[in-house]
Amino acid sequence: SAVISQKPSRDICQRGTSLTIQCQVDSQVTMMFWYRQQPGQSLTLIATANQGSEATYESGFVIDKFPISRPNLTFSTLTVSNMSPEDSSIYLCSAEEGEETQYFGPGTRLLVL
Amino acid sequence: SQKIEQNSEALNIQEGKTATLTCNYTNYSPAYLQWYRQDPGRGPVFLLLIRENEKEKRKERLKVTFDTTLKQSLFHITASQPADSATYLCALVTHSGYALNFGKGTSLLVTP
Repeated sequence: SAVISQKPSRDICQRGTSLTIQCQVDSQVTMMFWYRQQPGQSLTLIATANQGSEATYESGFVIDKFPISRPNLTFSTLTVSNMSPEDSSIYLCSAEEGEETQYFGPGTRLLVL
Repeated sequence: SQKIEQNSEALNIQEGKTATLTCNYTNYSPAYLQWYRQDPGRGPVFLLLIRENEKEKRKERLKVTFDTTLKQSLFHITASQPADSATYLCALVTHSGYALNFGKGTSLLVTP
């Protein structure tokens, strides 16, 4: 199974600033995903990151707010732009390996003041 | 509207008993359903996948059932152990996409 790491593991940021979260997979994968998990809520898919093409965003999420890069088959970044306290959440990346199974990173815990 | 509902209250059981967690869905046509385990401060870990044409799947002490008529999946852990204490998430994928749609999860506490 794929092993996924994320950086940073946590951060405290000031409103109006941006944070870029990195996601590294230990093997080449076709599809990578970014999720948000707010306290007491379910995981919500932000976007799907495919190598060599633009990310596909879910309803309610836009590229200007959450730009994503996918430069190769093992790496992706998510930027949370112009942050507000409402962006405080856990951000998780995942990768699909094999048949329909997703492996998740440990998450990045973000607090915006 | 579409919903995936799991028991919101924590489930407390004694070690050795069988834990049963429920996942109900509304207004989805799932191709398959998955169960994940999530420990505090960690990402979800995949446990089992069951397809729409399957009634039951087993893996060691885990069993999942899937009833598309009732729109429900049950997740069983037999001979539960304190190490099984975690939050369990169900997630389904529809025929029209590949995105995982998650429930909020049920917290399980197994006491010695």
